[in-house]
Amino acid sequence: NAGVTQTPKFQVLKTGQSMTLQCAQDMNHNSMYWYRQDPGMGLRLIYYSASEGTTDKGEVPNGYNVSRLNKREFSLRLESAAPSQTSVYFCASSVRTASDQPQHFGDGTRLSIL
Amino acid sequence: LAKTTQPISMDSYEGQEVNITCSHNNIATNDYITWYQQFPSQGPRFIIQGYKTKVTNEVASLFIPADRKSSTLSLPRVSLSDTAVYYCLVGDDSSASKIIFGSGTRLSIRP
Repeated sequence: NAGVTQTPKFQVLKTGQSMTLQCAQDMNHNSMYWYRQDPGMGLRLIYYSASEGTTDKGEVPNGYNVSRLNKREFSLRLESAAPSQTSVYFCASSVRTASDQPQHFGDGTRLSIL
Repeated sequence: LAKTTQPISMDSYEGQEVNITCSHNNIATNDYITWYQQFPSQGPRFIIQGYKTKVTNEVASLFIPADRKSSTLSLPRVSLSDTAVYYCLVGDDSSASKIIFGSGTRLSIRP
């Protein structure tokens, strides 16, 4: 029972490099999300996809792009990584984007940018 | 925008009941209240959700007064494994982008 799977689990990049974080869910959920969590802080929403074929900005979208590849997969891309993007990135999914629908989270990707 | 306020940290002992209160003065009519638990190096995990009055599951209880401007997560007979950060969220159906986690409450349980 995989739930939400994120790859890779760890990554170190140099400033200016690009990278794509992958996320897949097997719960047939319509909505998917990308968050970042800085040390000692709560989660901040980067982008979300309410349904296949749609994406929208969250609280902190600058420096990121997303692709909802299909219903299962939602990727996050850093085109030119910066040290300020060092963080733990979490992907989540839910049945739909309504407040009565809990989100299910992956275990995160720990990204360090030197 | 439904913002929440919770204590930054709480301490308790094994076997005690722990109550964490969350304030959400601007909650909207359609908003649900959801609590998540996060252990170090893991993603948040859904604990409980409610709209009004009391909700109970195998893990916790959630108490919501009639005005819905606050809610209290109750953890009965805590153990060391309940040490975690607990987040209170109030959803905003107008846009998923307005869901805010906040900094949560860091709960420490001692033997």
